Amino acid sequence: NAGVTQTPKFQVLKTGQSMTLQCAQDMNHNSMYWYRQDPGMGLRLIYYSASEGTTDKGEVPNGYNVSRLNKREFSLRLESAAPSQTSVYFCASSTLQGATNEKLFFGSGTQLSVL
Amino acid sequence: QKEVEQNSGPLSVPEGAIASLNCTYSDRVSQSFFWYRQYSGKSPELIMSIYSNGDKEDGRFTAQLNKASQYVSLLIRDSQPSDSATYLCAVEGNRGAGNQFYFGTGTSLTVIP
Repeated sequence: NAGVTQTPKFQVLKTGQSMTLQCAQDMNHNSMYWYRQDPGMGLRLIYYSASEGTTDKGEVPNGYNVSRLNKREFSLRLESAAPSQTSVYFCASSTLQGATNEKLFFGSGTQLSVL
Repeated sequence: QKEVEQNSGPLSVPEGAIASLNCTYSDRVSQSFFWYRQYSGKSPELIMSIYSNGDKEDGRFTAQLNKASQYVSLLIRDSQPSDSATYLCAVEGNRGAGNQFYFGTGTSLTVIP
């Protein structure tokens, strides 16, 4: 009964370093999302994947790349980390795109600090 | 104008009182609306979803939707200290290849014993 699993839970990077945040869901959801949450800014969408094989930019995509590896997995990559990317990152997945009663479920989050 | 607006609070209510949380949204074609609860240091947890005008009740929680006024609210009856959290309003919208979920900045609720 795992739901949405994110790794790592915590990460500290130096400016310019790269890293990949991993996300997997076991609910057979088609759609997956990456959000960042900053104080006073709420949850902002970075990228999303409406279905396997597709990815699209959200509100704040600059500095990030994503890969929808298969239906279960959706990774977020920071190629050259910057202090402005210090944030809490959440992966989420949702039931069938456009379906009635679609809902969004979140992973436990990754606390990322870029020094 | 933000997609989803909430009063950031903080909102404080005494234990046993009714807490009222409000949200407005800008996209008239939105069809799905949600309330999430987020405890400090935790991920958002879905507590209510509403898709049609009117009220929807689930235990101590009632969601209210008025699409004409583009307004969503959440009432928490018999508030408990365990209800102290940040409540996020979310609206589903379509901005391209698929549906996206837009969030307000959240309202911080404190229930005072």
